[in-house]
Amino acid sequence: AQTVTQSQPEMSVQEAETVTLSCTYDTSESDYYLFWYKQPPSRQMILVIRQEAYKQQNATENRFSVNFQKAAKSFSLKISDSQLGDAAMYFCAYTGGATNKLIFGTGTLLAVQP
Amino acid sequence: DSGVTQTPKHLITATGQRVTLRCSPRSGDLSVYWYQQSLDQGLQFLIQYYNGEERAKGNILERFSAQQFPDLHSELNLSSLELGDSALYFCASSVTPLLEETQYFGPGTRLLVL
Repeated sequence: AQTVTQSQPEMSVQEAETVTLSCTYDTSESDYYLFWYKQPPSRQMILVIRQEAYKQQNATENRFSVNFQKAAKSFSLKISDSQLGDAAMYFCAYTGGATNKLIFGTGTLLAVQP
Repeated sequence: DSGVTQTPKHLITATGQRVTLRCSPRSGDLSVYWYQQSLDQGLQFLIQYYNGEERAKGNILERFSAQQFPDLHSELNLSSLELGDSALYFCASSVTPLLEETQYFGPGTRLLVL
């Protein structure tokens, strides 16, 4: 069965600094996608970034980038120049196999200190 | 704003009761997903519909049922409610059920069972 693990329940970063959130996954599928979703206090789920497993190049969206290590089944999120608005719960998610249901990790709560 | 709407935003009810949660997908999206976010279970997939047909089932209790109507809106019915059903219920939608499709989440319905 596919699983997603986020081993950091909480992280903290200073404003303008860089932080990396970790995620590992387990799958036997060859075709799959990985995502990072942000959940601010409003509880809305917001897509931050996505990575196709067949692409070797790491995805980037403005200040957000990923380090996708396919062999190690690792998918970390790097946030550069952290801003107060980045404070939120971040969920790593996987989809693959016969259905495109999302499998989520347990989340990492990120605090941004001014 | 993702374009996915959910009603109601909040729902308070008593044990043993039945409620209906409603979701309208983004314009043009044919696939609808329901997820449950609770403190003890985290974020988990419940069920998926595509163009009116059930496509995938997750950890959905027998007391729960869902359907997608011809106009593509979906309803999640929760019956014989228990305290443990208190959770945030998300609806998400995508154009098709293919793996490469990004799912866009609604704002959620917060259910409190007393």
